[in-house]
Amino acid sequence: DAMVIQNPRYQVTQFGKPVTLSCSQTLNHNVMYWYQQKSSQAPKLLFHYYDKDFNNEADTPDNFQSRRPNTSFCFLDIRSPGLGDAAMYLCATSLSGTRADTQYFGPGTRLTVL
Amino acid sequence: AQRVTQPEKLLSVFKGAPVELKCNYSYSGSPELFWYVQYSRQRLQLLLRHISRESIKGFTADLNKGETSFHLKKPFAQEEDSAMYYCALGTGGFKTIFGAGTRLFVKA
Repeated sequence: DAMVIQNPRYQVTQFGKPVTLSCSQTLNHNVMYWYQQKSSQAPKLLFHYYDKDFNNEADTPDNFQSRRPNTSFCFLDIRSPGLGDAAMYLCATSLSGTRADTQYFGPGTRLTVL
Repeated sequence: AQRVTQPEKLLSVFKGAPVELKCNYSYSGSPELFWYVQYSRQRLQLLLRHISRESIKGFTADLNKGETSFHLKKPFAQEEDSAMYYCALGTGGFKTIFGAGTRLFVKA
């Protein structure tokens, strides 16, 4: 089945130690998104890629970076994780990114910062 | 401001009872609205889109532009409907705004 895969499902890191989260898709979608979701809150968009074009949300901290080396893979890099970065990180894809486009989500990676 | 509000964090109903999950939005243009659902231990997935005007798993949602609402309804709740439900608004520029979600608990 075509799908969105995230690895690892659980990630524990130390305060200030860089960490990378991975997302891959077999849907061949043009757009890939990264969301941060904290407990009892709405998923919050961090950034997206349309093909190779990167777009950062205005309020996404500089500590968060992303890479998309090819259509299938997208990475979220947190350069110096703080305790406040502990959250569920969701990767999603959509075919074209239009307003009416459905998003397809991965299972998420739960990040713990010690 | 673009915003999605789900006023209830938790909604508990008995099996067979009607259920309505509320969603209100704020958007200056013509809205594109969605309901996403997350069942226990599963990923977030689309339940329905207002543009499709369809019923999925017995759920329907009607866009009311006058009240800026997109409430999700089902006439007879089932235990398997227990899940987290998110209302979402598709805006321009690849951005979808999600509400904080409502947890539906259907009691036997």
